[in-house]
Amino acid sequence: NAGVTQTPKFRVLKTGQSMTLLCAQDMNHEYMYWYRQDPGMGLRLIHYSVGEGTTAKGEVPDGYNVSRLKKQNFLLGLESAAPSQTSVYFCASSNTGTGGNYGYTFGSGTRLTVV
Amino acid sequence: SQQGEEDPQALSIQEGENATMNCSYKTSINNLQWYRQNSGRGLVHLILIRSNEREKHSGRLRVTLDTSKKSSSLLITASRAADTASYFCATDAYPGGTSYGKLTFGQGTILTVHP
Repeated sequence: NAGVTQTPKFRVLKTGQSMTLLCAQDMNHEYMYWYRQDPGMGLRLIHYSVGEGTTAKGEVPDGYNVSRLKKQNFLLGLESAAPSQTSVYFCASSNTGTGGNYGYTFGSGTRLTVV
Repeated sequence: SQQGEEDPQALSIQEGENATMNCSYKTSINNLQWYRQNSGRGLVHLILIRSNEREKHSGRLRVTLDTSKKSSSLLITASRAADTASYFCATDAYPGGTSYGKLTFGQGTILTVHP
């Protein structure tokens, strides 16, 4: 089925460890986004990409890096995990035009716990 | 800072009743979108309303937009137990330039529909 696939679905890290979250979409969308969701905070944008080879910072980029080497994949990296990065991470993709985007397709999320 | 503020934070109703959720925002927008999130799942796009539209319908959903008041409402008619979920408004805003399709989410309304 077409959509956005996130791996892994769950992960527990120790403080200082690193990891990469993978997002893959098969809808040929140009735009991809990484959000984190925390209780009472809604979703906050970490980084985004407007096309292959491009990345840009969102609202809360500190402690994260991203790469978009292929159009269908958007990777989110944590170089040195901290307990404050315990969260649920969502990837989304969209087609976007001059009138704004036409609605995101979200992945099912990655639940990350940093101990 | 949150672009979208939702009201109420929680809503509990009986099956068959209507549910109304409200969203206020701060800046000019390209469009406003509503999403549903079932517990432990990703967000699902429900409906998008553009800044030059005032009302839009999709099945049992009715969305209104008042750009002069910077507010929107989502009405779910004849609610069902399966409508139990969190509902988020999200704005595609462009203050001072292109949004690149970035969405800013509200904190959400938790809707519980009792059978």
